[in-house]
Amino acid sequence: GGIITQTPKFLIGQEGQKLTLKCQQNFNHDTMYWYRQDSGKGLRLIYYSITENDLQKGDLSEGYDASREKKSSFSLTVTSAQKNEMAVFLCASSTWGNYAEQFFGPGTRLTVL
Amino acid sequence: GDSVTQTEGQVALSEEDFLTIHCNYSASGYPTLFWYVQYPGEGPQLLFRASRDKEKGSSRGFEATYDKGTTSFHLRKASVQESDSAVYYCALSDQGGSAKLIFGEGTKLTVSS
Repeated sequence: GGIITQTPKFLIGQEGQKLTLKCQQNFNHDTMYWYRQDSGKGLRLIYYSITENDLQKGDLSEGYDASREKKSSFSLTVTSAQKNEMAVFLCASSTWGNYAEQFFGPGTRLTVL
Repeated sequence: GDSVTQTEGQVALSEEDFLTIHCNYSASGYPTLFWYVQYPGEGPQLLFRASRDKEKGSSRGFEATYDKGTTSFHLRKASVQESDSAVYYCALSDQGGSAKLIFGEGTKLTVSS
């Protein structure tokens, strides 16, 4: 088994501030993901990374940057926080392939003041 | 593009009631279909998946059958318990060989005793 750790659990920032969310996994998975979860809108993919040093944009990448520092870690930066992007951000990892199960962390809840 | 639609945003049942959550998808070919469950304060976790027409996925008393003809993967359980209260997500895999998932909007199930 393995675990995905997301830090911080709660993140509070000011409008316009640059904020960074971190994710670590010990599954030894190649692929990692960042999703944004808004109530009633499901999970929407922000960025994913197929392997170390790879970055791919998802449907919701505008306003975000990502960094895959090493195989086990994947960071997401909110470049200029806005009140309308208060949500829960979920990190996940998986092996490659369209049958693969994704394993999720518990999430980071973002509040913008 | 590919999409997933869950008809019910919220479902309220009593213990031992029968559950159906409808999931319809739009995609070409044979995407893998998934049901994930998310308990409060946790990330989603895989309930089960199916990848071929007429294949039945099942776990913990929940089941769904892949139906290519009606492009559906409806979740059912014969007798729900209070512990089944959670948010349920239907998802399909991107068929480009990646493990990217497209999620439905989610259905919040509340079961009362």
